[in-house]
Amino acid sequence: DAGITQSPRHKVTETGTPVTLRCHQTENHRYMYWYRQDPGHGLRLIHYSYGVKDTDKGEVSDGYSVSRSKTEDFLLTLESATSSQTSVYFCAIGVGTEAFFGQGTRLTVV
Amino acid sequence: QKEVEQNSGPLSVPEGAIASLNCTYSDRGSQSFFWYRQYSGKSPELIMSIYSNGDKEDGRFTAQLNKASQYVSLLIRDSQPSDSATYLCAVNQGYSTLTFGKGTMLLVSP
Repeated sequence: DAGITQSPRHKVTETGTPVTLRCHQTENHRYMYWYRQDPGHGLRLIHYSYGVKDTDKGEVSDGYSVSRSKTEDFLLTLESATSSQTSVYFCAIGVGTEAFFGQGTRLTVV
Repeated sequence: QKEVEQNSGPLSVPEGAIASLNCTYSDRGSQSFFWYRQYSGKSPELIMSIYSNGDKEDGRFTAQLNKASQYVSLLIRDSQPSDSATYLCAVNQGYSTLTFGKGTMLLVSP
């Protein structure tokens, strides 16, 4: 157990509404990541953080924003959810050169 | 665009056989390589990391890296039905961000 908790685990939301997913870690690691996983595309990086208030974009960042105001929490926000953002979202933490994943959040946008 | 390629499978092997999973990557400067196992509906689980050319063994798993050929493989000896899962190859792109292949589904029949 890498000490990562994602919440919520499942969410259904309507198109156009804002949604925030939370990733919480208990081990004070510097690096945190958000990925999404879709059939036919595999896992793709959305955003990552290399410290408090230090974030950068990944491969599929359009339509997403992130915030990290304290080491243990990394938030992913969909400002106005679209059906194309229906996916499974995974948070991960970096430990040395390795990455360990949370349990995932299944988000459905209807 | 940095790419990681895997055969989607499924790769079917009988129980007790050796399963061989392959991966190629496009970025010649990549230094760190990983294999994750993902059961259906679960999060990716790191099973092997490899950084140098050659073989690295851990129990029934052996990772092989050939940087000149830009090729990474995973061998699973004495395959068990519990090894049936999707295996993801991943390459480190800096800040421990990962580019993933789309995964190979492995089916081990009793």
